[in-house]
Parts: sequence; structure tokens; C-alpha cells
Amino acid sequence: GAGVSQSPSNKVTEKGKDVELRCDPISGHTALYWYRQRLGQGLEFLIYFQGNSAPDKSGLPSDRFSAERTGESVSTLTIQRTQQEDSAVYLCASRGLVSTDTQYFGPGTRLTVL
Amino acid sequence: GIQVEQSPPDLILQEGANSTLRCNFSDSVNNLQWFHQNPWGQLINLFYIPSGTKQNGRLSATTVATERYSLLYISSSQTTDSGVYFCAGASGNTPLVFGKGTRLSVIA
Repeated sequence: GAGVSQSPSNKVTEKGKDVELRCDPISGHTALYWYRQRLGQGLEFLIYFQGNSAPDKSGLPSDRFSAERTGESVSTLTIQRTQQEDSAVYLCASRGLVSTDTQYFGPGTRLTVL
Repeated sequence: GIQVEQSPPDLILQEGANSTLRCNFSDSVNNLQWFHQNPWGQLINLFYIPSGTKQNGRLSATTVATERYSLLYISSSQTTDSGVYFCAGASGNTPLVFGKGTRLSVIA
């Protein structure tokens, strides 16, 4: 596609429910990243996928967070038993094969946990 | 890991003014990017600039890799330049580390 897309754009959920966020990277991009941005803050790295290698999960804040990616396509970020502190914008980015390539960001999913 | 410091944290400019935003890194990076996050939250790539100088219209950026800093220049600022400017860096295959951003408000 023309750019990185994410869905839904907005998600409101109740505390304790599970949510699933989706990212469609730019076609052909081998690397995919998830970040979290709390209100007024910078971006926090969550998880990184590179091709078929084991993902770098070092940024996931707790075991309630998990992510999957099949090959070089869509990725889903799942948050189980959501808490109010999970409220944030979740951003996905993709880039080409070379680690020094530019990352391109999607529009984000704004998650609100009531 | 790499620490990224941006300054100033906030900046208010009159339309038409020039400004310089700074980004310092605690360690060497081989991937350095500047982004603009518009008021709707979209992150837009401005520059990929691990070293040297680049220009794009009214924006330019310079990175002095040996001294671990980068500067973003905005000339003849316009209200549409408002938003948050982030720099981010990485070394090797590690994910980008973002600074906390500079919030720019350009007033007419």
C-alpha cells in the first residue's frame, strides 16, 4: 500500500477487557515496530519484528502485552485485561531491509480504557 | 541504552521567525531521524540524517556525528509548522530511541 495503516483509529474499552490493534506495514517492508505514546510524552518502544527472526520484545511493559506478525505482513498487538494506564496512542512503523533505512509511521490507534 | 535529549522543550514563535532545535545523544548513532508530529498526531518524516547537512524547503538539518548532536533549523516559520518535533536515534539494528520532543507553537 501507499503507507502504513492501522485499525481501529480509536478504541474505547472497559478496564479488564482485552483489545487487539492491527498494523498493515508498507508492502515489502521487512521490519515492523510498535510504539506507545502517552499524552504529552515521547514514543516508547514496545516490540520489533525483523523478517522471520525472533522478535525483540524488550520494550513490552508487562506480560499482558503481546504481539504477532506473520511473515512480512500484518501485525496485531494484543493487550489483555486492560488497565487505565494502558490508555495511549499505539503507533506502528515499518522500514525496509537495511537497519539504517527510514521508518515510516502509521496514524496510530488511540486507546482509551475507562 | 542510548539517551536522547531535546531542547528547548517548548518554543513559541511569531510567524516569519527562524528557530533552531537541538538533539543530543549519549552515544554514537548510525541512524538519526527527525519527525514532525502534527496536531492530529500523525508522525511525518522530515530527515534521515546520521551525518552531514540536508535541506528541504524551509527546513534544514545538520548532524555532527563526532560530537553526537543534531540541529533542525526552521526558517520563516508558518502556523502550519506548529506541532511537536522529535529526533530519534539508533545504533546498529536496535529500535529508534526518541527524545521527549520540542513543542512548537507558531502564532500569526
